[in-house]
Amino acid sequence: GESVGLHLPTLSVQEGDNSIINCAYSNSASDYFIWYKQESGKGPQFIIDIRSNMDKRQGQRVTVLLNKTVKHLSLQIAATQPGDSAVYFCAENGAAGGTSYGKLTFGQGTILTVHP
Amino acid sequence: DAGVIQSPRHEVTEMGQEVTLRCKPISGHDYLFWYRQTMMRGLELLIYFNNNVPIDDSGMPEDRFSAKMPNASFSTLKIQPSEPRDSAVYFCASSLVDDWSGGYTFGSGTRLTVV
Repeated sequence: GESVGLHLPTLSVQEGDNSIINCAYSNSASDYFIWYKQESGKGPQFIIDIRSNMDKRQGQRVTVLLNKTVKHLSLQIAATQPGDSAVYFCAENGAAGGTSYGKLTFGQGTILTVHP
Repeated sequence: DAGVIQSPRHEVTEMGQEVTLRCKPISGHDYLFWYRQTMMRGLELLIYFNNNVPIDDSGMPEDRFSAKMPNASFSTLKIQPSEPRDSAVYFCASSLVDDWSGGYTFGSGTRLTVV
């Protein structure tokens, strides 16, 4: 079946640096993408989303980039803080009218560690 | 809004026992999802409901697992009989499908340990 982000890489950064977390997806029909943050002992928490008709969206300290040509999604965190340490997941939702519409498929996640 | 509420937070049970996990979605949300998270397989979708009706249960591992949503404010995931390999964190999430902004809202999860 189709899947998102097959790996669980780790990323270690210093406080104040910018972080970039990458995700590859395989379902070209997906039209909505979300980044989630999961802290230890908690459920995934929404960070930012983007629709397939966009290639960039910015939030507070976070930016999501979408490259549909190579089916790649990235999350950029500016001025990373120790509180940003968590596992980050990308997720995709299938296009309206398709069989996968309404259900998110999650990648395996990336562990971000921010050192003071 | 209190968010998605799951209970219990932790459950330890012996192999062969029945386990029931509970979820209260956000009021007004019309989709409810049950996920399982393990180190080996990450977040797996087990089943989801739309307007209390099961839409896709293809992720339910086997007949030992069942889920119900008797009304818009309550859902259960039952495992009978439980096995050690069912040990995982089980998450419930809800969403308003016509407004995808904000994605799903997840509960805090139930950590299940089957010994």
